[in-house]
Amino acid sequence: DGGITQSPKYLFRKEGQNVTLSCEQNLNHDAMYWYRQDPGQGLRLIYYSQIVNDFQKGDIAEGYSVSREKKESFPLTVTSAQKNPTAFYLCASSTGLAGSLGPFFGPGTRLTVL
Amino acid sequence: EDQVTQSPEALRLQEGESSSLNCSYTVSGLRGLFWYRQDPGKGPEFLFTLYSAGEEKEKERLKATLTKKESFLHITAPKPEDSATYLCAVQAPQGGSEKLVFGKGTKLTVNP
Repeated sequence: DGGITQSPKYLFRKEGQNVTLSCEQNLNHDAMYWYRQDPGQGLRLIYYSQIVNDFQKGDIAEGYSVSREKKESFPLTVTSAQKNPTAFYLCASSTGLAGSLGPFFGPGTRLTVL
Repeated sequence: EDQVTQSPEALRLQEGESSSLNCSYTVSGLRGLFWYRQDPGKGPEFLFTLYSAGEEKEKERLKATLTKKESFLHITAPKPEDSATYLCAVQAPQGGSEKLVFGKGTKLTVNP
């Protein structure tokens, strides 16, 4: 089955720790995205990548880092510099072509800071 | 600044009672408007993309329409399984990026 997988589903972090959220897609999509969702707010873009080995900051990139070494993978690291990391994190991908469907989202990772 | 406003924030319907959800947007050069359905604790599920004013898309009991300032998601004879939060997003050119700007969503509850 083609799709986007995120792991883990739930993640707990102690203050001061860095954690990495995994995102993998087998849709052969060029573009991948990370969004953050908080109650009562719209999805906010953290980082996006339109091609391997290239990525750009979104609206709320502070305290986060990403890499795009493979087309299928776009891991997100939440660093200790992120002041309020408790949220629902969503990864998405698209073809990147005008007129295409999507982006399509993964099932999400819920991060809780203890 | 690109903005997306969804209304109402919450909508409660009886099974079979048709209604519409609204998505108003202000963008420079709309490239696409997207509708998603999101169930609690899950990722958004893609429903429709609309590209130009006058365009309509349908899927089962859902029909999305687009004007130059807003989009409507019409729900005909809804069933309890249509209960979810419906998200609207717009895409506009921003230095070659494909950033989507999302509204806060409309939470739909359909009672049997």
